[in-house]
Amino acid sequence: NAGVTQTPKFQVLKTGQSMTLQCAQDMNHNSMYWYRQDPGMGLRLIYYSASEGTTDKGEVPNGYNVSRLNKREFSLRLESAAPSQTSVYFCASSENLYGSGSDEQFFGPGTRLTVL
Amino acid sequence: GEDVEQSLFLSVREGDSSVINCTYTDSSSTYLYWYKQEPGAGLQLLTYIFSNMDMKQDQRLTVLLNKKDKHLSLRIADTQTGDSAIYFCAERNSNDYKLSFGAGTTVTVRA
Repeated sequence: NAGVTQTPKFQVLKTGQSMTLQCAQDMNHNSMYWYRQDPGMGLRLIYYSASEGTTDKGEVPNGYNVSRLNKREFSLRLESAAPSQTSVYFCASSENLYGSGSDEQFFGPGTRLTVL
Repeated sequence: GEDVEQSLFLSVREGDSSVINCTYTDSSSTYLYWYKQEPGAGLQLLTYIFSNMDMKQDQRLTVLLNKKDKHLSLRIADTQTGDSAIYFCAERNSNDYKLSFGAGTTVTVRA
């Protein structure tokens, strides 16, 4: 049981390049999330998917797109990377979106992205 | 979004108790969480507390909630080197999916 996996672990891009961050979970969870983590700030939600076939904007969606490919996989795409998108990106999943308090979000190990 | 604030750094001697503090502004917060992030890893849920509780104990961890002051704390007894990590406070209310995180407290355990 791998939990939440993310690829790649590290990536360096030049301004204007595009890339897709991959995320997969093997816990049969309905809901998946993409966060970014910046120094001195808490995690901020970029996009989320309540269930297979649906996606919605979170707190900071500009410059990103997502695809919920199937129940397991949720990808994050940067179409034209900017230095402001240098960050650590975390994918997470939970059984349901509106769970009880004990429903936790399980996090992947993160992708460290640098945009030059 | 709702504000969640934490001090950024805490240094503690091995064997002592650590206390990490958090304040939040949303009076409708229903669930309050503590996550731990070890170097190079994702966040791991340590413990959570419902807003109708004022204390929860789980082995070396004690969570205290002062709902009137909107203050949450995490006490780690007998702190070990393996407790060195970033600790995040987070909250959400029962009508919302969104977790609001604090900036994280970096705990360094010194010998």
